[in-house]
Amino acid sequence: GAGVSQSPSNKVTEKGKDVELRCDPISGHTALYWYRQSLGQGLEFLIYFQGNSAPDKSGLPSDRFSAERTGGSVSTLTIQRTQQEDSAVYLCASSLLEGAQRAQHFGDGTRLSIL
Amino acid sequence: QKEVEQDPGPLSVPEGAIVSLNCTYSNSAFQYFMWYRQYSRKGPELLMYTYSSGNKEDGRFTAQVDKSSKYISLFIRDSQPSDSATYLCAPQSGGGATNKLIFGTGTLLAVQP
Repeated sequence: GAGVSQSPSNKVTEKGKDVELRCDPISGHTALYWYRQSLGQGLEFLIYFQGNSAPDKSGLPSDRFSAERTGGSVSTLTIQRTQQEDSAVYLCASSLLEGAQRAQHFGDGTRLSIL
Repeated sequence: QKEVEQDPGPLSVPEGAIVSLNCTYSNSAFQYFMWYRQYSRKGPELLMYTYSSGNKEDGRFTAQVDKSSKYISLFIRDSQPSDSATYLCAPQSGGGATNKLIFGTGTLLAVQP
């Protein structure tokens, strides 16, 4: 398929461990976004990558969270020393930035559970 | 006050009914307005995309934006059980260094057969 692909679909880990979540955007999309969806909080923005520009990290909740995007394509979101409040669905989206093509297309997310 | 307010529902309607889903927002910089549909354990799926004020129709779906009152609506005609999902409004600012979406909390819709 040509959609946004995320892996793993589910991740269960112990408190204090590090986790890496992967996102494969739609081919040719220059913009990539990470969001977090938790019960009672809705969908919240985490970080945004656009081409070679510095990423917008304004939504990252703490310095335990980081993300990178290699070669303008695949992105990895890393959470260090996980806490129980990090349990959520982490969603990745990609888009172009012109006209109607700026609409963001989402993957099905990684459901993260911290024990 | 949240930037985007949306009634969480749940909203239950009989099959064939017209459904009206609404959001209000506070940021006058929003220029692009999107509606997403999200089924359980799936990612949000883009339904409608509107720029500035006005109406846009796509099949059974109509999106309305009134920037003067900061009010956005999604209408679903002849609703079907397959429309049962959570509907999220998501405005976006134009230009600038980021294009993040600001989501409402979503309205859970159940269409009863």
